[in-house]
Amino acid sequence: SQQGEEDPQALSIQEGENATMNCSYKTSINNLQWYRQNSGRGLVHLILIRSNEREKHSGRLRVTLDTSKKSSSLLITASRAADTASYFCATDAGDDKIIFGKGTRLHILP
Amino acid sequence: KAGVTQTPRYLIKTRGQQVTLSCSPISGHRSVSWYQQTPGQGLQFLFEYFSETQRNKGNFPGRFSGRQFSNSRSEMNVSTLELGDSALYLCASSLGLLADIQYFGAGTRLSVL
Repeated sequence: SQQGEEDPQALSIQEGENATMNCSYKTSINNLQWYRQNSGRGLVHLILIRSNEREKHSGRLRVTLDTSKKSSSLLITASRAADTASYFCATDAGDDKIIFGKGTRLHILP
Repeated sequence: KAGVTQTPRYLIKTRGQQVTLSCSPISGHRSVSWYQQTPGQGLQFLFEYFSETQRNKGNFPGRFSGRQFSNSRSEMNVSTLELGDSALYLCASSLGLLADIQYFGAGTRLSVL
């Protein structure tokens, strides 16, 4: 079964708005990562947040982690057309494997 | 530093054939992982190699196999291709553990007719 589940499956917002996507997982984790994938290309790592961290920032990206709710959120502020992509969370459950969710498709409208 | 290189980028095969995909990791990276991505199943882990040894394996049939060479380059092979094997195959490398940050190649798009 899927460890990480992103929500929503798809999201369309106007350029300049903020985009929020969520990831829920089932078992305890060591860390959680977010990746971006442009259409038909490889994934690009965005942020890694460890289980003892609650929030992390990187440029326009803000990631939060709530281990009590087994969930994480990725916020992209002031969205741009180039942010159009699929976003995946990946969880490390400590068995030396990482499991990817099915992703959120983000579309930035001009 | 060069990124992860996958060849070929596109491949068309027919059912019953076999295929070999190649992946060159980032210099210094010893772990290479393979993933299958399809619209229905998402990104699914195939296997991981570290120092020429398979360290982890996903839930795929034995038709899917791989290997890693002493220079960390990796190949994956799919024998007796089925229509359902049509997918984007992604290779990723990392410094050590599979749970480290993964650096992905652009993928090989395999179409089975």
